[in-house]
Amino acid sequence: EVQMVESGGGLVQPGGSLRLSCVGSGFTFGSYWMHWVRQAPGKGLEWVANMKQDGSEQFYVESVKGRFTVSRDNAKNSFYLQMNTLRADDTAVYYCARDNSGPDYWGQGTLVVVSS
Amino acid sequence: QSVLTQPPSVSGTPGQGVSISCSGDRSNIGKYVVNWYQQLPGTAPKLLISRNNQRPSGVPDRFSGSKSGTSASLAISGLQSEDEADYYCAAWDESLVGWVFGEGTKLTV
Repeated sequence: EVQMVESGGGLVQPGGSLRLSCVGSGFTFGSYWMHWVRQAPGKGLEWVANMKQDGSEQFYVESVKGRFTVSRDNAKNSFYLQMNTLRADDTAVYYCARDNSGPDYWGQGTLVVVSS
Repeated sequence: QSVLTQPPSVSGTPGQGVSISCSGDRSNIGKYVVNWYQQLPGTAPKLLISRNNQRPSGVPDRFSGSKSGTSASLAISGLQSEDEADYYCAAWDESLVGWVFGEGTKLTV
């Protein structure tokens, strides 16, 4: 069974940092692009970033460029989102998803709240 | 405001059919495949239709997708109460160099 499990969310002050982790199982992790997608409370889905199988390419939504960084460790079946200089409008549930011509299997998400 | 436009809401009665539209442009839907996602209340999104019209294993054939030009549609036939959810379209956008989602459509049965 394909599964993604996110962790690392929590409450952080504006300007702070947080690192999210995603562990994939049930598939050959190193063979897939991976995505982060977020959903602010009561709002729609917003794609955040993705990364190629070997980590050589990554793309970001404009609003997080320069603040967020994705990385992966295929030996650990893990995908990460380093979030710096966090703002109130980064408050959201962050989902990790495998790519198959777009996000296909999604985790249950981890909540990030940016507030003082 | 998303580059993919969906109606905020649609509704239907059990057994009826409904359609949800997703309008984009030449930099996204006009050139790339469209996926559709279903998000039941309080849960993570689930892939409903991939590559414009492909149903992943386990998705009932009541759900179908189509694409024409710069627009796509999700059709649901034989509505059931458990279909009440938010539905999102998504596509790669070469101008933005990233994936874009529609704003979502709330289906009420």
